[in-house]
Amino acid sequence: DTGVSQNPRHKITKRGQNVTFRCDPISEHNRLYWYRQTLGQGPEFLTYFQNEAQLEKSRLLSDRFSAERPKGSFSTLEIQRTEQGDSAMYLCASTTAGGAGGYTFGSGTRLTVV
Amino acid sequence: AQKITQTQPGMFVQEKEAVTLDCTYDTSDQSYGLFWYKQPSSGEMIFLIYQGSYDEQNATEGRYSLNFQKARKSANLVISASQLGDSAMYFCAMREPDTGANSKLTFGKGITLSVRP
Repeated sequence: DTGVSQNPRHKITKRGQNVTFRCDPISEHNRLYWYRQTLGQGPEFLTYFQNEAQLEKSRLLSDRFSAERPKGSFSTLEIQRTEQGDSAMYLCASTTAGGAGGYTFGSGTRLTVV
Repeated sequence: AQKITQTQPGMFVQEKEAVTLDCTYDTSDQSYGLFWYKQPSSGEMIFLIYQGSYDEQNATEGRYSLNFQKARKSANLVISASQLGDSAMYFCAMREPDTGANSKLTFGKGITLSVRP
């Protein structure tokens, strides 16, 4: 168990550019979640996958955001035409379905749009 | 109405003393789960403790305990014997229903805890 891995840790991009983040969950976890956290706030749910199926998307996930989880393993979150309001920490978490325990979070990707 | 409310301003505690971090929640589900997470300055969310709505006893995990008062819809975190490494942001979160297809967490805004030597 090597934990949930997120790459990159930090990303600075110019407004209008596209960015992609990667999350590698714990191998036996079939559920994967993406959250966004802005400064001074708690994480907000964006979307989640059970295996390769994307089961729910938040209204926060505009058309510029897309997430995939091919083969039910790692996941990517892409933001197209970034805006300054996209600046935030993007957190990934994984768990087993119906688990009574906690979700394991990665260390996040901090995005700064300049 | 907010689902998770954490209204305390920044909290301070003396090392080795106990501290209580408040959390109230709002749900109409009978089945729900309550979680506490710690987020140090490094950014990682660290799971601390979980309480299911049907659990009759308060959850405990080492120095952490959850004071679950179902009628009041509160789930306060108690940290005993505070350590300097406990300085961090603390988030209360809820999962509703506690099992099933829809199992995302809803977080509160968090509380900053500072432990003084």
